[in-house]
Amino acid sequence: GEDVEQSLFLSVREGDSSVINCTYTDSSSTYLYWYKQEPGAGLQLLTYIFSNMDMKQDQRLTVLLNKKDKHLSLRIADTQTGDSAIYFCAESKSGAGSYQLTFGKGTKLSVIP
Amino acid sequence: GAGVSQSPRYKVTKRGQDVALRCDPISGHVSLYWYRQALGQGPEFLTYFNYEAQQDKSGLPNDRFSAERPEGSISTLTIQRTEQRDSAMYRCASSFGQGNTEAFFGQGTRLTVV
Repeated sequence: GEDVEQSLFLSVREGDSSVINCTYTDSSSTYLYWYKQEPGAGLQLLTYIFSNMDMKQDQRLTVLLNKKDKHLSLRIADTQTGDSAIYFCAESKSGAGSYQLTFGKGTKLSVIP
Repeated sequence: GAGVSQSPRYKVTKRGQDVALRCDPISGHVSLYWYRQALGQGPEFLTYFNYEAQQDKSGLPNDRFSAERPEGSISTLTIQRTEQRDSAMYRCASSFGQGNTEAFFGQGTRLTVV
């Protein structure tokens, strides 16, 4: 199976919370990342979490990591239309090859006004 | 510069032609990475430079693909004898140190081979 899996689509109403989920297979992953891709723009690093943490909060963003289940989620509070984008989960390995990111296929978030 | 800059933004080329894609990383970033992103997919790793040294080229699909970073700053990804299957978004990223704690991506070059 894929190293990093995400559901492909998510639709939410403006003002609601969005939760984007990701599963990964490599238990040696050291960092897990969330990137945002808007049309015509590059990949924007939103946040990342070290594998020995289980939660990280940054303004409207909350990252939860369940290392036992290899499950990562990104919660966006008070979702706005400007949050509409594709969100990619990515992992990096430990040791040699730690520079290499493995991405999921991305989750397209649509925010309904 | 303020961010990672890639040029051209769009490139249309005929099958069989060579193309060169350029990446100008963030000033002071020693690590540089190339990724390729097919439509509907996430980026896939191609190659990695630490300063001018190409440390890993395991993701390059075949020997038509090559990359260089001769002075440890600007990098060029070259595809020889392009084929239609090479059509994709090519993304460059840079980070301050080794490893990817914070890798910043450019806007990418959209390559179309006709």
